[in-house]
Amino acid sequence: GAGVSQSPRYKVAKRGQDVALRCDPISGHVSLFWYQQALGQGPEFLTYFQNEAQLDKSGLPSDRFFAERPEGSVSTLKIQRTQQEDSAVYLCATFPGLARRNEQYFGPGTRLTVT
Amino acid sequence: AQKVTQAQTEISVVEKEDVTLDCVYETRDTTYYLFWYKQPPSGELVFLIRRNSFDEQNEISGRYSWNFQKSTSSFNFTITASQVVDSAVYFCALILTQGGSEKLVFGKGTKLTVNP
Repeated sequence: GAGVSQSPRYKVAKRGQDVALRCDPISGHVSLFWYQQALGQGPEFLTYFQNEAQLDKSGLPSDRFFAERPEGSVSTLKIQRTQQEDSAVYLCATFPGLARRNEQYFGPGTRLTVT
Repeated sequence: AQKVTQAQTEISVVEKEDVTLDCVYETRDTTYYLFWYKQPPSGELVFLIRRNSFDEQNEISGRYSWNFQKSTSSFNFTITASQVVDSAVYFCALILTQGGSEKLVFGKGTKLTVNP
């Protein structure tokens, strides 16, 4: 496809379960961001990759959150031992070069519900 | 602190009305970049505009226009002759350069409902 894709689109997890959320960027896009969007709020930054290098993980809320992009393309956001406060939409955004103040292209998001 | 404030949580208008969405920002940077994104019910954020701090010209794109005022730290968005398809949540955002990346800092969004 032409855009950023994310899977699954919806995920329901029981508290304590581990989840893995996938982002397929637009082909060739160097920069990749993960954002978390709680209900009724704006997206909040989680982490940033430049190719396979994770250059900024300052937004990850706890050590239960882990992200990787081993080959500089697909990225996975993993949440271990999910808690109810992890319920949110997780958005992936990419950009073709270095993210120098340019618009980011967003995927449709994965809505995670922790019960 | 760097932050974006969208004071209007929800706005409801009737089709063909004009509507302005407010955005006020705070930043320490002398050079900065502001954005507007649209989030329709499908959830995907759609880029609308980017504005840098050294270009204060207002911009018009079809029914959309943006008013950037550095003196009041505002970057307001006006939709002229609104249509039902304009119904969405609109986010104003600021680029924050910190910690090795240039990440977007979003406001809380304004939900616009355009009624037929």
